Amino acid sequence: QVQLQESGPGLLKPSETLSLTCAVSGYSINSVNSFYSWGWIRRPPGKGLEWIGSMSHNGNTYYSPSLTSRITISIDTSKNQFSLKLRSVTAADTAVYYCAREKRYSSGSYLLSCGQGTLVTVSS
Amino acid sequence: QSVLTQPPSVSGAPGQRVTISCTGSSSNFGAGYDVHWYQQLPGSAPKLLIFGNNNRPSGVPDRFSGSKSGTSASLAISGLQAEDEADYYCQSYDSSLSDVVFGGGTKLTVL
Repeated sequence: QVQLQESGPGLLKPSETLSLTCAVSGYSINSVNSFYSWGWIRRPPGKGLEWIGSMSHNGNTYYSPSLTSRITISIDTSKNQFSLKLRSVTAADTAVYYCAREKRYSSGSYLLSCGQGTLVTVSS
Repeated sequence: QSVLTQPPSVSGAPGQRVTISCTGSSSNFGAGYDVHWYQQLPGSAPKLLIFGNNNRPSGVPDRFSGSKSGTSASLAISGLQAEDEADYYCQSYDSSLSDVVFGGGTKLTVL
């Protein structure tokens, strides 16, 4: 069973860089037969879900146009984990962040599973 | 304002059947992109309920079913149970935005 676990600081100041890591267990990200991408979504307080972006096992990245100028998603196959960096954060970036295993195909993509989530608060 | 439109809330009594609508447009559902549905219980991560319009992952009860027609989609829950009380989200891809999009979410209350 594939499990995902987020980690990272829970409190940031405006203009800082958010850095989150997602540890994957039960599956090798580097699997040559991998059909998955690895990505992030978030849920701001009182709001709905928002897709952030993802990265496939072969290095292709897919970013939300609204965030593409500020984000980087990367994979560390040696540690079987992947990461999110979100630069120049503001209060609007306060949210619960979830890492996710994503299936991409010709008619779209969907999230097979998510980590338990981690709350990130941006406040001065 | 979400690209995919869902009712903010629906409710039903135990044992009843409820449906949650998700209205899209020609740049998502109408362009042939599939709809997927997620359940988010309070304090928990989103869980995949339906993928590819009408497919259930292993372990999801057959009380949950999905459909898509034209620019609209819906999730039906039959035999409503107290543990179904949660937020439900539809999701697809929008070619005009070049973005993965979610509906605004629907809160299901079991009376």
